[in-house]
Amino acid sequence: KQEVTQIPAALSVPEGENLVLNCSFTDSAIYNLQWFRQDPGKGLTSLLLIQSSQREQTSGRLNASLDKSSGRSTLYIAASQPGDSATYLCAVRSMNYGGSQGNLIFGKGTKLSVKP
Amino acid sequence: DVKVTQSSRYLVKRTGEKVFLECVQDMDHENMFWYRQDPGLGLRLIYFSYDVKMKEKGDIPEGYSVSREKKERFSLILESASTNQTSMYLCASSYWAAGGGEQCFGPGTRLTVL
Repeated sequence: KQEVTQIPAALSVPEGENLVLNCSFTDSAIYNLQWFRQDPGKGLTSLLLIQSSQREQTSGRLNASLDKSSGRSTLYIAASQPGDSATYLCAVRSMNYGGSQGNLIFGKGTKLSVKP
Repeated sequence: DVKVTQSSRYLVKRTGEKVFLECVQDMDHENMFWYRQDPGLGLRLIYFSYDVKMKEKGDIPEGYSVSREKKERFSLILESASTNQTSMYLCASSYWAAGGGEQCFGPGTRLTVL
């Protein structure tokens, strides 16, 4: 059964620092992987979607990489800002769960705090 | 931009009441999903639908049912609300694509059952 793990559970950094959030998954049979951001009490905002055939995706200060064979993804945030403070969730769409559309399996998230 | 809306941000109900949570998306997405999110447990899939009048059970369907009469609307029904259904409920939608399209979420409904 696919399991998604995010380490660390919480991270505090000073403003301006570059940082990496980690996501690992146990079954490499995935269609794609999606990174989300969640602010307290709010819904999820999609940040990046990486297809299984891709190695990375970039959007502004965010860069996500995918190494399917080792079951790892990283989310790199450059020049962090206090506005980046949120919980970041990783989710994989597994080939062995949810049929042809592959339902998402979520990690429990990394809570990021960027101090001014 | 895809917009997914949920009927209420906050809802307080009493044990035994029938509760309806509504979700509407405006981008003609085929797929719709209902999750609940609880501290320490993360997001768990309740039900999903890949087409009108189609529904499939997720990981935790017990105590819930769903309805999808129109493509843009997916309703979650708590037949007889219980205190252990107090949670944040999140709706999502995605386009149909081989391997699944990008999922877009609504703002969530915080449900409290007293």
